Amino acid sequence: GQQLNQSPQSMFIQEGEDVSMNCTSSSIFNTWLWYKQDPGEGPVLLIALYKAGELTSNGRLTAQFGITRKDSFLNISASIPSDVGIYFCAGRRSNDYKLSFGAGTTVTVRA
Amino acid sequence: DVKVTQSSRYLVKRTGEKVFLECVQDMDHENMFWYRQDPGLGLRLIYFSYDVKMKEKGDIPEGYSVSREKKERFSLILESASTNQTSMYLCASSLGPAGPSYEQYFGPGTRLTVT
Repeated sequence: GQQLNQSPQSMFIQEGEDVSMNCTSSSIFNTWLWYKQDPGEGPVLLIALYKAGELTSNGRLTAQFGITRKDSFLNISASIPSDVGIYFCAGRRSNDYKLSFGAGTTVTVRA
Repeated sequence: DVKVTQSSRYLVKRTGEKVFLECVQDMDHENMFWYRQDPGLGLRLIYFSYDVKMKEKGDIPEGYSVSREKKERFSLILESASTNQTSMYLCASSLGPAGPSYEQYFGPGTRLTVT
C-alpha cells in the first residue's frame, strides 16, 4: 500500500511545549487516523477524522483533516513526559479496507 | 472497549520451523489484519481478512499464509521461518465497511526472533 509522508521523523521537545506533526499524500483520503505507540506495545488509536476540514480534539491532542483531503495534522499542547512515543498517521481511500501508514514521528520529551 | 489479544508477546524460533501467531478479537469485528513492523520501514500489511475463510494478500505476503476459520480468530503462519522474518508482528481488527468501522484496533504485538 501507499506510504504516507510523515514529518518530522523525530523531535526532541521541552516539557510544556506545543508540538506539531503532519502527514501528506499524493492521493485523496476519506479517513485520517492518528495513533500513538509506546515502546514494546501496539499502536493505540488517538483521533479519527472523517470530513475535510474537520478539527477534532482528544484532551491535549488536536488533529485536523486537511481541506484538500491529502493531508492531516496533529498538535500536542503542553507536552508532558508521558507523551514520549511514536505517533503514526494512517489514511484510508474510498472503497478500501486497508490503511496506508506514515513512517512515524518519534517524540522524546526533555524534562 | 475493543480488545485484541495476541498469543505471545515474545517468541524465539529456529530457521526452518513452522510458526503460528494467533490473534483474537472480542468485538465481533468483520475485518482482521496482520502487519509487520521494522525500524525505518513502518507498518507493512502482510494479509487481511474481511470475512470468515476470506483472505487477501497485502503488500508483503511472501513467506506467510493465514487462516480465519472463526470470526474472532486470525492466524498468521510462517511455513518455514527465516532470519529475515525476525520482526514485530501486529494484529489489528476493524468493525466493517462504513465510516468509523474502518478504525483499526491493534493488539500488543509479538516480537519474533528467528535464529
